[in-house]
Amino acid sequence: KAGVTQTPRYLIKTRGQQVTLSCSPISGHRSVSWYQQTPGQGLQFLFEYFSETQRNKGNFPGRFSGRQFSNSRSEMNVSTLELGDSALYLCASSTSGTGTNTEAFFGQGTRLTVV
Amino acid sequence: AQKVTQAQTEISVVEKEDVTLDCVYETRDTTYYLFWYKQPPSGELVFLIRRNSFDEQNEISGRYSWNFQKSTSSFNFTITASQVVDSAVYFCALRAHAGNNRKLIWGLGTSLAVNP
Repeated sequence: KAGVTQTPRYLIKTRGQQVTLSCSPISGHRSVSWYQQTPGQGLQFLFEYFSETQRNKGNFPGRFSGRQFSNSRSEMNVSTLELGDSALYLCASSTSGTGTNTEAFFGQGTRLTVV
Repeated sequence: AQKVTQAQTEISVVEKEDVTLDCVYETRDTTYYLFWYKQPPSGELVFLIRRNSFDEQNEISGRYSWNFQKSTSSFNFTITASQVVDSAVYFCALRAHAGNNRKLIWGLGTSLAVNP
């Protein structure tokens, strides 16, 4: 059974550009969450999608957005990149519908560097 | 507010030593879930264990064991006879049970170095 796949693994972008990251969850998983990991702030929740609907959102500016497709694949987009957006972006998938007692499985992440 | 504290930033041990990673959490929810994840240098977060708030039984899995104590809001993780392959950053996380509050709240992690 394939795990969570994130593409690309590495990205280098310039300030002001925009970027799109992709996440393919484990087959059968309908929930996809995104996290930002930085040395200073640790792991912070960005948003969660379930059945193409955003179910929960973290405290990030509107430059950060996402969506989920009918096949559960998800993308996140960051517009007008800032140096502080440099981070490891992790995607997690889980089976859960309304319950919260299931574990999330993570991809290897996309390391974004903004120069 | 929910919060997870991992007071140990870095731990260094010699192979075969036992090591305990501390995790203290704060939540007002009566039902919640606690997790431990391992992050090796490759970056992927690897799920280790989930514990429900209503189940205070300790758990052992091979060299790993977890001690959950609601009275002290702690969920500590012990590695027995540590090995070099255990070197990684370990994260403790908390998730509420309430329907829309599903995000994981993370500690800042403990970096474990197991030296040969």
